[in-house]
Amino acid sequence: AQRVTQPEKLLSVFKGAPVELKCNYSYSGSPELFWYVQYSRQRLQLLLRHISRESIKGFTADLNKGETSFHLKKPFAQEEDSAMYYCALKTGGTSYGKLTFGQGTILTVHP
Amino acid sequence: GAGVSQTPSNKVTEKGKYVELRCDPISGHTALYWYRQSLGQGPEFLIYFQGTGAADDSGLPNDRFFAVRPEGSVSTLKIQRTERGDSAVYLCASSSRGDDSGNTIYFGEGSWLTVV
Repeated sequence: AQRVTQPEKLLSVFKGAPVELKCNYSYSGSPELFWYVQYSRQRLQLLLRHISRESIKGFTADLNKGETSFHLKKPFAQEEDSAMYYCALKTGGTSYGKLTFGQGTILTVHP
Repeated sequence: GAGVSQTPSNKVTEKGKYVELRCDPISGHTALYWYRQSLGQGPEFLIYFQGTGAADDSGLPNDRFFAVRPEGSVSTLKIQRTERGDSAVYLCASSSRGDDSGNTIYFGEGSWLTVV
């Protein structure tokens, strides 16, 4: 069965410092990976997806199939990046809304 | 509406009671999803509707949980004989289709259920 692991429940950095939120997955097939974000008092929303190879709000994530990882990175963190971040996995042959989520990482960016 | 709407936002019920949670998806979205999020955990998939039919209900934990979407728009998640372990935030999400590459799903704010 598929699984997503986010090893850090809490991550604190100072403004301007680099940040990396770790995500590892377990799935024998061809995965699609996503990062979702939930800002304070807001809904869960899509941040980025590996298939698009995009950079959103300065964040990037590269799928590493050898290490089964999809870490989220930003070179210079901003205070507005403080939020809960979830890594999510879609397995082959299923709807794009059927996702397996990790437990989430709370990112706090200090001024 | 502007986004996925869920009611009630908060519900406290006694153990053993029946509960209904409602989801109004974004207008025109044919795909609708229910998730459950327990404290300290990520969301867990419950059920997926494409139109009026449940295309995938593999995440429903047991037969006390049931969901309907009779007209292909509003959906109701029904929980019978509630237990304290059912306490969680129940999230609804919708998308324009369930199978497009790169499709985005939009979440509601959730219904916080507490069983006492």
